[in-house]
Amino acid sequence: NAGVTQTPKFRVLKTGQSMTLLCAQDMNHEYMYWYRQDPGMGLRLIHYSVGEGTTAKGEVPDGYNVSRLKKQNFLLGLESAAPSQTSVYFCASSYSRSGGNTGELFFGEGSRLTVL
Amino acid sequence: GQSLEQPSEVTAVEGAIVQINCTYQTSGFYGLSWYQQHDGGAPTFLSYNALDGLEETGRFSSFLSRSDSYGYLLLQELQMKDSASYFCAVMEGSYIPTFGRGTSLIVHP
Repeated sequence: NAGVTQTPKFRVLKTGQSMTLLCAQDMNHEYMYWYRQDPGMGLRLIHYSVGEGTTAKGEVPDGYNVSRLKKQNFLLGLESAAPSQTSVYFCASSYSRSGGNTGELFFGEGSRLTVL
Repeated sequence: GQSLEQPSEVTAVEGAIVQINCTYQTSGFYGLSWYQQHDGGAPTFLSYNALDGLEETGRFSSFLSRSDSYGYLLLQELQMKDSASYFCAVMEGSYIPTFGRGTSLIVHP
């Protein structure tokens, strides 16, 4: 099993450009998440989804949009990239609470985005 | 809302024991998780405590006191490869985890 796969792994954008990060999981997890990680800030939740067709805002949602059209995929979009969005982005997935969640998130390898 | 506090950095020597503390404030607590992250890598799950007490997994143990809103990760017989960042994460009613800022563990020979 591949687990959680993120594409692309690296990307350089110019201010104002748009892009989409793709996250795919093959564990049939209900919950999926997008976090950003900046030095000294830990992992901050951008958006999350508790099931196909549903999304919700996290701690730092401004400037990002998400979609969960299929259970296995969770897309993160930047409509107009800004230098403040330079970061490492991690996607994660987990079972739902009723599905046997034991507190464990499964993370992808990260996508390193630079906005010039 | 919720907040978590953990030390920014801890140093220790190879073979020693180190404890990384985590205190939290939440409105509805379900459990506390710990993750390890090496430089350039993805966070990996270490442990989860939903009830008070100590959970042991090999050289790593995790403790929770719900009444004190406090937990810790204990690493024994430290090895150089344990040098990494360690994050605590609190699970609230929505079952969506919130992460602390992380503790950088530096293990010296």
